[in-house]
Amino acid sequence: QQQVKQSPQSLIVQKGGISIINCAYENTAFDYFPWYQQFPGKGPALLIAIRPDVSEKKEGRFTISFNKSAKQFSLHIMDSQPGDSATYFCAAVDGGAQKLVFGQGTRLTINP
Amino acid sequence: DAGITQSPRHKVTETGTPVTLRCHQTENHRYMYWYRQDPGHGLRLIHYSYGVKDTDKGEVSDGYSVSRSKTEDFLLTLESATSSQTSVYFCAISDTDDSTGYTFGSGTRLTVV
Repeated sequence: QQQVKQSPQSLIVQKGGISIINCAYENTAFDYFPWYQQFPGKGPALLIAIRPDVSEKKEGRFTISFNKSAKQFSLHIMDSQPGDSATYFCAAVDGGAQKLVFGQGTRLTINP
Repeated sequence: DAGITQSPRHKVTETGTPVTLRCHQTENHRYMYWYRQDPGHGLRLIHYSYGVKDTDKGEVSDGYSVSRSKTEDFLLTLESATSSQTSVYFCAISDTDDSTGYTFGSGTRLTVV
């Protein structure tokens, strides 16, 4: 049973466009929501993260939007570039149990 | 990747044979984790360690065992490899217990034939 559900599985966006990846969760004990970026042949790397006491966090072209009441959060990549082509994983941490769980992943392709 | 090395990078093995994957870190981090990555499942936790000789099970631990005799090494053993264990295995390290900042290795691609 996937505790964090991620969509879409794959996404193709034109260069300069906005890429949007969505995640949903049920466990209200989750208190930290990171996004990881993974390039082929590499391990995932922490990209950006948010705590549920804020609704949005922005770092450069990457923004997390968080809706606590709907138990949903999303990653927006503005002005998407071919170098952003990678697999993106949302994740959630249950601070009490000290467990990190991942979504299924989204393969993002940015066409030049 | 930031002081964490996995070996081997690729391995092909036969069903029923034991296999050991190694994770070596030079960061002196206390916490180490083994995940497997499969299409449609993301990354799932197999086992983790919170110190030398202190380990615990994750969500997909059946068929796997781990050992940590030194801070820098965390070994994952498939006791009798099966085709369902064909996967990419990632080791991660952390210096905190709150799961907020993991550093992952580059992975081991294991094929069981």
